[in-house]
Parts: sequence; structure tokens; C-alpha cells
Amino acid sequence: KQEVTQIPAALSVPEGENLVLNCSFTDSAIYNLQWFRQDPGKGLTSLLLIQSSQREQTSGRLNASLDKSSGRSTLYIAASQPGDSATYLCAVNRDDKIIFGKGTRLHILP
Amino acid sequence: DTGVSQNPRHKITKRGQNVTFRCDPISEHNRLYWYRQTLGQGPEFLTYFQNEAQLEKSRLLSDRFSAERPKGSFSTLEIQRTEQGDSAMYLCASSSTGVEAFFGQGTRLTVV
Repeated sequence: KQEVTQIPAALSVPEGENLVLNCSFTDSAIYNLQWFRQDPGKGLTSLLLIQSSQREQTSGRLNASLDKSSGRSTLYIAASQPGDSATYLCAVNRDDKIIFGKGTRLHILP
Repeated sequence: DTGVSQNPRHKITKRGQNVTFRCDPISEHNRLYWYRQTLGQGPEFLTYFQNEAQLEKSRLLSDRFSAERPKGSFSTLEIQRTEQGDSAMYLCASSSTGVEAFFGQGTRLTVV
């Protein structure tokens, strides 16, 4: 059974700092991995998708890496801003089912 | 195309009543997923469709829950005889095979 774990559960950092969010999964046989952002009471916004054959993807200040063999992914956020405050969710797609972690609640301090 | 659309956005219902939610996916997407999310948790898989075929259902989906996707377009999720434990955010997502999934804004259900 695929399990996805995100560490830390919550994180507070001062504005301007670079930060890393971690995601691990138990079954490396995945199709892809996706990072999402969720604001309170809202739906999920897709940030980055990494196919199983890829090692990383970049979008603006965000960079996501994937190490399938070790079952790990990281989301790197550069020069954090207060608007980055949200919950970040990692999800793996295997057997056409997308399995989520519980997320990391990020708070950027102005 | 404005993305995945879910209606209603909020629903308050009395325990024991039936409720139905609708999801309109991105038009060219053949896959449609339903998830449930409670406070502080990640979304939990409920069921998914490939076109009009329902291919998998989670054990979370009790007999009171039913989902349909007629003609492989929009989908409905019905909950019969609602219970307080059904209170949650219900999320719908769509994708093309093996590609990025896009989520709607969700329907927040409160059972009183």
C-alpha cells in the first residue's frame, strides 16, 4: 500500500529565506509526482508535476526534485514571500490513483 | 475552459437527508476523481472514472455513497442518509491519462 509522508507538518520562516519541504513515499513504482498548494478552505492548485523519468522541474521560485529509487521528493522555495503562506501537498500517482500526504503548513513571517 | 468546476460550493444539510454534488471536468480530460478532505488531513481517494466507467472505489465509499459519470462528461456524487461524520470538503479532479491532475474548488458539506 502506497503511503506518502510529509515533513515537517508545519513550518514558520522569516520572509526572504529559502526553504525546503520534504515528501517521502513507500512504493517507488509511480507514474508521476505532483506538488499542490492549498489555501484555507479552498481547492488545490497544481504547482509542479514531475514524471517518473524526470529528476526535477522548475517554475519561477519553485524547484521540485524527485529521487524515485529512494522514494523522496523535495520542494524548494526561493526567497519566500508572505503570499507563499499556505499548505503544500505532495501526491504520487500510481495505478491511476493519486495518493496524498497530509501536507506541510507553511507560514512566512513578514 | 475555466478549469474544473464544482457545485455547490457549500452545502448545509440536516442529518438523514440526501445530498448531491456535481463536478464538471476540463473538457478533454478522460479521468475524473473524487476525494474527501477533513480538517488538517490530506485528500483521501474515494473513486475515479475513466470516461464513463467507474474503475475503482475506496473502502471509504460506503453503500450510502454513489457516483456516476454519464456519457463520460460531468460527474455527480450522491450521499444518502447523511451523517455528521460525512461533514468534509469533497474535491473533484480531472486529468488526461498519466498527466497533471487539476482540482476544483471543492464542495464543503456540513451535516447538522
